[in-house]
Amino acid sequence: QSALTQPASVSGSPGQSITISCTGISSDVEGFVYVSWYQHQPGKAPKLILYNVANRPSGVSNRFSGSKSGNTASLSISGLQAEDEADYYCNSYSSYNSVGVFGTGTRVTVL
Amino acid sequence: QVQLVQSGAEVKKPGASVRVSCETSGFPFTGYFMHWVRQAPGQGLEWLGWINPNTGDTNYAQKFQGRVTMSRDTSITTVFMEVNWLRSDDTALYYCARDLNGNSHFDYWGQGTLVTVSS
Repeated sequence: QSALTQPASVSGSPGQSITISCTGISSDVEGFVYVSWYQHQPGKAPKLILYNVANRPSGVSNRFSGSKSGNTASLSISGLQAEDEADYYCNSYSSYNSVGVFGTGTRVTVL
Repeated sequence: QVQLVQSGAEVKKPGASVRVSCETSGFPFTGYFMHWVRQAPGQGLEWLGWINPNTGDTNYAQKFQGRVTMSRDTSITTVFMEVNWLRSDDTALYYCARDLNGNSHFDYWGQGTLVTVSS
């Protein structure tokens, strides 16, 4: 299963909003697809920031939001802050064949 | 609190095997699927597979079938991942991760285990 496609990098100024796309998610015809997003900062383990496309775990800022349309999922970050600088990865899991795959990753830079 | 504590760094020669452990605590061991994810130097995250600690059932990414084996020991609430026939491109930081709800949403992660494959 090929990796999902994400833009290599996205940047924005503090306070701005950015959106990261994740393309290549199998259609629902092949079974439920579960999408999650992770923030990965250097020297730390990845952190779950969204699951089931748009749900935030406890403690995650509401500046992070998610959506999905067709074969593309998106992560939006509003009110960009310096602490948001990180690599972001989407993950798709198909209940059809119980297989998961990560996106290629997006480096977010706060200018 | 939930904790996932992985074994220490390993250095192996090509063709050898490595076994990484992930000791869990703070939650019902048999109640959550556990996954393994790796990150090679300068590369992105890569999903390897999962194990159901309750039944021992496993499922692996196609790329790793036949070369990766996941197992568990319920008496010590620990999951294991073994990679056989190591190659240089298996050099990576390997993570175990707990599945929040059985849908491959990883809410807790181990600290990572660096496996270096070098002759």
